[in-house]
Amino acid sequence: AQKVTQAQTEISVVEKEDVTLDCVYETRDTTYYLFWYKQPPSGELVFLIRRNSFDEQNEISGRYSWNFQKSTSSFNFTITASQVVDSAVYFCALRSGNTPLVFGKGTRLSVIA
Amino acid sequence: GAVVSQHPSRVICKSGTSVKIECRSLDFQATTMFWYRQFPKQSLMLMATSNEGSKATYEQGVEKDKFLINHASLTLSTLTVTSAHPEDSSFYICSAVGGPGFNYGYTFGSGTRLTVV
Repeated sequence: AQKVTQAQTEISVVEKEDVTLDCVYETRDTTYYLFWYKQPPSGELVFLIRRNSFDEQNEISGRYSWNFQKSTSSFNFTITASQVVDSAVYFCALRSGNTPLVFGKGTRLSVIA
Repeated sequence: GAVVSQHPSRVICKSGTSVKIECRSLDFQATTMFWYRQFPKQSLMLMATSNEGSKATYEQGVEKDKFLINHASLTLSTLTVTSAHPEDSSFYICSAVGGPGFNYGYTFGSGTRLTVV
């Protein structure tokens, strides 16, 4: 069975602080994909990144960076110099093949000015 | 890029009535669509998988007679909540498999917030 665990339910930081959102996954498949989505109060899911299981290179996109480590089954997400607009719920998700995405429970991030 | 249009974005209906939610892939053919439900402050839970031209597959605990799914074409899937009750109030969101990078990602609609009064 596939499972995604986001242990942090809520995080609150002061603007300009760095924050890391943790994601641990479980799967028996050797080929799989990991995702991060942002869900602002409007509800829509904003796609942030997709990573396949064969690519362990870390990625940086502006203030966002992701650390994928197969050895610990983790796919953590760091926001550098957080801003109020980063306040949202962030979901980590996993899939293999054409199966539906399995989502973690989400982490609610509040960035305080 | 791949776009999925979901309508309506918000709907309020009276208890006992039915509500239809549409999910359209605008620029690609979606052979498979997934329907999720999200209660406040909770994660997205898969309700059902719909494949074009065949019956939907429902997750355990989801009443297929209450949540009717129709995927009659490669660009349209509909979810009808029949005889809605207040406990059906939730955020419903669809995702479609297909489009650019077909094997790599799924495209989500913008969601429908259903309130049953």
